[in-house]
Amino acid sequence: DARVTQTPRHKVTEMGQEVTMRCQPILGHNTVFWYRQTMMQGLELLAYFRNRAPLDDSGMPKDRFSAEMPDATLATLKIQPSEPRDSAVYFCASGHSGGAGELFFGEGSRLTVL
Amino acid sequence: GENVEQHPSTLSVQEGDSAVIKCTYSDSASNYFPWYKQELGKGPQLIIDIRSNVGEKKDQRIAVTLNKTAKHFSLHITETQPEDSAVYFCAAPTRDTGRRALTFGSGTRLQVQP
Repeated sequence: DARVTQTPRHKVTEMGQEVTMRCQPILGHNTVFWYRQTMMQGLELLAYFRNRAPLDDSGMPKDRFSAEMPDATLATLKIQPSEPRDSAVYFCASGHSGGAGELFFGEGSRLTVL
Repeated sequence: GENVEQHPSTLSVQEGDSAVIKCTYSDSASNYFPWYKQELGKGPQLIIDIRSNVGEKKDQRIAVTLNKTAKHFSLHITETQPEDSAVYFCAAPTRDTGRRALTFGSGTRLQVQP
């Protein structure tokens, strides 16, 4: 049963701490996306990778957020330092390149910054 | 980039009734229109999609219609059941990402009353 795996599922931290969220995309998928979901803003695209190369991170606050794909089986989203306004659910999704098509979402990482 | 507007934000129906959710988009070159269902504590999951070369697509109790001239598309759920209760999102390809990422609507919370 192929699925996108995200860790941690829940994280509570204090303002100023570093937070790292991890994602294992579905094997064979070559596009990876990070979305953030909040009540106010809905689902926002933070970053997009194709074949491990970052193609778009214009939705991400550059001063504190960073996204990487160290290898084809791991994508990371790091926040340093974290702030209360970063509290949200962060979703990773993967898919195939070659035009628009289905995105497969993980179950999300719920982040609370106190 | 793409702008996707979704209405209504909440919808309550009686079990067995039909539900309709509507979305408009701004990029006339968009050619792919998916609908996602998000259950509590889960990531969004694709339930149906349509490409711009057809005007309607059905899958059992759900259907999607597309009007490219007016730039709007709708989700229709017939014979609603309590398990249809969830948040539904429409989406369209994000031009700035080569139309590979998706821009999501703000979501519709559907409540099916038994």
